[in-house]
Amino acid sequence: GAGVSQSPSNKVTEKGKDVELRCDPISGHTALYWYRQSLGQGLEFLIYFQGNSAPDKSGLPSDRFSAERTGGSVSTLTIQRTQQEDSAVYLCASSLGLAGLYEQYFGPGTRLTVT
Amino acid sequence: EDKVVQSPLSLVVHEGDTVTLNCSYEVTNFRSLLWYKQEKKAPTFLFMLTSSGIEKKSGRLSSILDKKELFSILNITATQTGDSAIYLCAGGSSNTGKLIFGQGTTLQVKP
Repeated sequence: GAGVSQSPSNKVTEKGKDVELRCDPISGHTALYWYRQSLGQGLEFLIYFQGNSAPDKSGLPSDRFSAERTGGSVSTLTIQRTQQEDSAVYLCASSLGLAGLYEQYFGPGTRLTVT
Repeated sequence: EDKVVQSPLSLVVHEGDTVTLNCSYEVTNFRSLLWYKQEKKAPTFLFMLTSSGIEKKSGRLSSILDKKELFSILNITATQTGDSAIYLCAGGSSNTGKLIFGQGTTLQVKP
């Protein structure tokens, strides 16, 4: 079946604007994760959703970042009032359960550039 | 604070060489150590290790976990240019959904 998909693949925005990044996980995967990867860096955890449980938002860097997952499937990561330091690749991943127990499958990412 | 540290950060070898990538971890309620290969954007899964001393193998790649010394290694034998990538390791906990990623090792294999 289809893998994890993300849109858009690239997004250029002006400082101060809001952006929305979308993730479609693999069907049947109950866990969904958002990561951020700055140039030359590893992956920084942002947030994850597991089934109907409250999301773990502990990695969100500021209150400008928020995410939701509708109907247990598609997720949207929203960044308000973007700043230049928000420029990065935003990766989404899904898995059958908790990442420490199940393999994560990653999407191709969205490259965000804030000018 | 949980952390995962990889070394070296970058490595340049020639085709046919063997390389060893290192990953040390400090993860609360440690459950698993995962290795990923990242060529362009999406990391692709290589191995998940949960037991100490048991080598996992896939073709020219192999990996092993030492839960006493809190590290893992990834070996690549007879390297090829297609092995050029960033190799990421991550520690997983048994009671949270987070993976803690290391900074990655950038491997360049020259012809």
